[in-house]
Amino acid sequence: GENVEQHPSTLSVQEGDSAVIKCTYSDSASNYFPWYKQELGKRPQLIIDIRSNVGEKKDQRIAVTLNKTAKHFSLHITETQPEDSAVYFCAARDGKLTFGQGTILTVHP
Amino acid sequence: DSGVTQTPKHLITATGQRVTLRCSPRSGDLSVYWYQQSLDQGLQFLIQYYNGEERAKGNILERFSAQQFPDLHSELNLSSLELGDSALYFCASSGEGYTFGSGTRLTVV
Repeated sequence: GENVEQHPSTLSVQEGDSAVIKCTYSDSASNYFPWYKQELGKRPQLIIDIRSNVGEKKDQRIAVTLNKTAKHFSLHITETQPEDSAVYFCAARDGKLTFGQGTILTVHP
Repeated sequence: DSGVTQTPKHLITATGQRVTLRCSPRSGDLSVYWYQQSLDQGLQFLIQYYNGEERAKGNILERFSAQQFPDLHSELNLSSLELGDSALYFCASSGEGYTFGSGTRLTVV
């Protein structure tokens, strides 16, 4: 089955800096790659996604890139703000979603 | 409100007991996915139902079972509960993307 590896497990940045989280997947049949943000005690919320026929997608301060050949995809957050602090999960779908282990992002004011 | 409804929000029960968690998917979504999130753990896929039939199974214990009813709501049954079953249990439904419910926090004492 699919296996998703996510790095780093924790990331600490200063407000205004950029943050990058990277994921790799194993199943070349996976065709949909969402990113979720989860605040403490709350549900994961979809923040951006990308399909396998697209290399990059942007939505304001967040962007996702996908390299199908290398089987990796990344989340980029620019001009980080304290409210970006949360746990971020990547996922890959081959039928069902398989999640990475999560990255705890802390943005210091 | 995500449109995915989970009840109850909190559940405290003793070891050895049995509980039922309930999920209603978004209107029009046929799939329901169940995930377990333990402390400091990622989202572990348990089981998927599609239009009343089991579609995929993950790391679901034999003490756990689920079903999806004709009205598409789903129930996750956890029996012979152990302390280690304490976790957040999320369901998600999918149409274009996955949307999570608010989760049920289960505490086994």
